Amino acid sequence: QIQLVQSGPELKKPGESVKISCKASGYTFTDYAMHWVKQAPGKGLKWMGWINTYTGKPTYADDFKGRFVFSLEASASTANLQISNLKNEDTATYFCARRRWPDYFDYWGQGVMVTVSS
Amino acid sequence: DIVMTQSPSSLAVSAGETVTINCKSSQSLLSSGNQKNYLAWYQQKPGQSPKLLIYLASTRESGVPDRFIGSGSGTDFTLTISSVQAEDLADYYCQQHYSYPLTFGSGTKLEIK
Repeated sequence: QIQLVQSGPELKKPGESVKISCKASGYTFTDYAMHWVKQAPGKGLKWMGWINTYTGKPTYADDFKGRFVFSLEASASTANLQISNLKNEDTATYFCARRRWPDYFDYWGQGVMVTVSS
Repeated sequence: DIVMTQSPSSLAVSAGETVTINCKSSQSLLSSGNQKNYLAWYQQKPGQSPKLLIYLASTRESGVPDRFIGSGSGTDFTLTISSVQAEDLADYYCQQHYSYPLTFGSGTKLEIK
């Protein structure tokens, strides 16, 4: 069965970095783009961008340009999200989601809670 | 960017009732090429990740109960849940998949009385 399994919760201090992973199984990883979605505590869903799992090319939403990096370990069917210079407002749950054409999400990871606190 | 406006923000109903959630987009989501509306609905239960219910405005995802019905066209869309059950307690989000950046509505919290 298709699964997206994300890494565990993170507690970081402001200014630190974090790397979140999303391991896919049950399908051909490079056939589907992987998207990232942010959900702040008690808030709605915000699309962050996506990575082409065939070419490795990332695309970022405007609010997520600069400190956010999408990457792949294609041999391990894994997509990663790295956030540098963490800020309090980065406290959120981050979901990976598999994109089905045309651009909706049929499978989601369980989410990773990142807490940024001094 | 296409702005998605959902209403109401919350509602409480008794089991067995019918619920209607509205989603309005700031631009038409109707593709002139194939006459399809690029609007999806998701259900997010407490502590869980979102689950796809509906895509292309009215196509139910495999395995989704037929009491979930998506409708609408252009800029106005509706998710109808008939005969609500206790397990339908969740937040519901619309998402336009017409153009980038992809955008979500602000969500509707469904409570069961």
